[in-house]
Amino acid sequence: EAQVTQNPRYLITVTGKKLTVTCSQNMNHEYMSWYRQDPGLGLRQIYYSMNVEVTDKGDVPEGYKVSRKEKRNFPLILESPSPNQTSLYFCASSLSTPASGTSGRASYEQYFGPGTRLTVT
Amino acid sequence: QKEVEQNSGPLSVPEGAIASLNCTYSDRVSQSFFWYRQYSGKSPELIMSIYSNGDKEDGRFTAQLNKASQYVSLLIRDSQPSDSATYLCAAFLGNTGFQKLVFGTGTRLLVSP
Repeated sequence: EAQVTQNPRYLITVTGKKLTVTCSQNMNHEYMSWYRQDPGLGLRQIYYSMNVEVTDKGDVPEGYKVSRKEKRNFPLILESPSPNQTSLYFCASSLSTPASGTSGRASYEQYFGPGTRLTVT
Repeated sequence: QKEVEQNSGPLSVPEGAIASLNCTYSDRVSQSFFWYRQYSGKSPELIMSIYSNGDKEDGRFTAQLNKASQYVSLLIRDSQPSDSATYLCAAFLGNTGFQKLVFGTGTRLLVSP
């Protein structure tokens, strides 16, 4: 089954304790992205990756790191979590974007993982 | 102006009616638009994509794109209580080389039995 998976689904942690949220897709997608969703603010992009070893900042990258060493995985790292990072996090992937020049617009459609609800106390 | 704007709602419609959801966009976004449905606490689910001016139909859903007026709409025919959710409009941001997908804040739809 084609899917985007995230782990853990729920996490409660304390300020300053490093954590990693994993994201994996089995669709051979080039593009992967992390979003956070907060009430009243909608979905905001944290980081994205156009392909292996190619990552770039989104709108709210402060306090987060990412890596893309394999095409299927795109982990999100919080090296020193703070309470303002309490949020609902989503990973998403698509075959490509308009920037990649790939033909076939259906390839631009992004599919989301189930989400990770993070609470930092 | 935000790149993609939606009325937060809620939009209330009776069961069986047509629900009309609207989204306006700025010059900074691409001409590829997406509608997602999101139930509370769940992940966004892609419903429709539209790239060309005009209408695109898929079952009970019709997406409409009007480039001249810079808006994109989603019509839901024969609305069901199970359609009650938040609907998100999204487009690629042009000044990032169309690498970033930006979302509206969503319109909440309530379908009453």
